[in-house]
Amino acid sequence: SQQGEEDPQALSIQEGENATMNCSYKTSINNLQWYRQNSGRGLVHLILIRSNEREKHSGRLRVTLDTSKKSSSLLITASRAADTASYFCATAASSGSARQLTFGSGTQLTVLP
Amino acid sequence: DAGITQSPRHKVTETGTPVTLRCHQTENHRYMYWYRQDPGHGLRLIHYSYGVKDTDKGEVSDGYSVSRSKTEDFLLTLESATSSQTSVYFCAISVPGSYEQYFGPGTRLTVT
Repeated sequence: SQQGEEDPQALSIQEGENATMNCSYKTSINNLQWYRQNSGRGLVHLILIRSNEREKHSGRLRVTLDTSKKSSSLLITASRAADTASYFCATAASSGSARQLTFGSGTQLTVLP
Repeated sequence: DAGITQSPRHKVTETGTPVTLRCHQTENHRYMYWYRQDPGHGLRLIHYSYGVKDTDKGEVSDGYSVSRSKTEDFLLTLESATSSQTSVYFCAISVPGSYEQYFGPGTRLTVT
C-alpha cells in the first residue's frame, strides 16, 4: 500500500507562476523527501524534511510539513519550463528502517512557456 | 546519476524466461535498492541490501530474487518472467549519514 499520495495528479501553469503540490501520508514518519523525475529518466532528490521540522527552503523550493495532519506541500516559485517533470513525495517510517522509502504516485507538472 | 549504471537499459523477453538486471555503483556505498515503477503506482520497493550478502524484502518482492556478492553490484532476478512484471526498474543507493537516495537511469523491461 502506498504511504504518500500527491495532489493534484496533474498541474499545468504558466512560466513565472508558482506551483504547489501536496502530499498526504498515513503513518508516523522519520522524514519526508521530494523527488523530481524528468520523462524517461531516474528520480532526482530535491529536498528532505525531518519530522521535527516544519519548513525548509532550497533555492526556489519551499517544503512544509504538518505532522498533525500528516501532510506536506512543495512550492516551486517563479516556475520555468525546465521545471516540467513529475514530482514525488517519499516517506520514511518512524518505525523500522528510515532508509526504506515509500513513494506516492506523483504529480505531473507542466510549465508552459 | 551518482555513478550508478543499470544494464540492460531495455529488454524484451518472453513469459517464463529468466531475466537478470544489473545495478553497478562506482562509490562502494553500503545501501542499494531495487524499485519498479508502474503508471499510477509511483515507485514500489522490491528488495534492498545493506551490505554484501545482506538483503531483505520490500513491498513487492514476490517473483523476484536478489544477490549481492560484491559491494558495487546488486542483481535483480526474475526467475520466470510474467507479463505483470513488465515495468521500468530503478536501482538506487543511499550514502552514509544520509537518507537521500540516488537513482540509476532505469531499465525498461517488457515481458510478452
